[in-house]
Amino acid sequence: QQQVKQSPQSLIVQKGGISIINCAYENTAFDYFPWYQQFPGKGPALLIAIRPDVSEKKEGRFTISFNKSAKQFSLHIMDSQPGDSATYFCAAGVRTGANNLFFGTGTRLTVIP
Amino acid sequence: DTAVSQTPKYLVTQMGNDKSIKCEQNLGHDTMYWYKQDSKKFLKIMFSYNNKELIINETVPNRFSPKSPDKAHLNLHINSLELGDSAVYFCASTLAKNTEAFFGQGTRLTVV
Repeated sequence: QQQVKQSPQSLIVQKGGISIINCAYENTAFDYFPWYQQFPGKGPALLIAIRPDVSEKKEGRFTISFNKSAKQFSLHIMDSQPGDSATYFCAAGVRTGANNLFFGTGTRLTVIP
Repeated sequence: DTAVSQTPKYLVTQMGNDKSIKCEQNLGHDTMYWYKQDSKKFLKIMFSYNNKELIINETVPNRFSPKSPDKAHLNLHINSLELGDSAVYFCASTLAKNTEAFFGQGTRLTVV
């Protein structure tokens, strides 16, 4: 059973455009929602994360929007650049206990110059 | 300095062989993990290991066995390799109560 559902599978955006990736979860015990960025041949690296007590978090061109009632969260990349081309994973977990993170299936973003 | 390092980076082996992948972290983290990333890029947790407590994912075949000589190392041993084991395996670590996971660069395993 997929704990975190992510869409779209792939996304093509022109340079300067907005990239939007969506995720949904079912387990209301989740209290930590990170996004990871993975470049080819590399391991995933933390990009930005949010906790359910806030509805939005912004770091530079990257913003997470969080809707607790709908159990959904999304990543917005403003002014998308070719260097943003990578695979993006949303994840969800519980901050106590085993610290297991459940990952979405990934979105391959391509930003066209 | 590499935070989480895995060796080897590439591993090509024949079906039926036994192989190991090594992982070391120098972050002082308490919890280490193995993830499997398949050809569709899906990341799936296999094991987590925290303070000598191993948490096994029930979907992982018992041909896979993690071994942790100390909290800075978590090696993955695979017996009787099968074609379906071909994937990229990532080691990761987190500090207890801090869920930011640091990943290694991955080991691409190809079983022929």
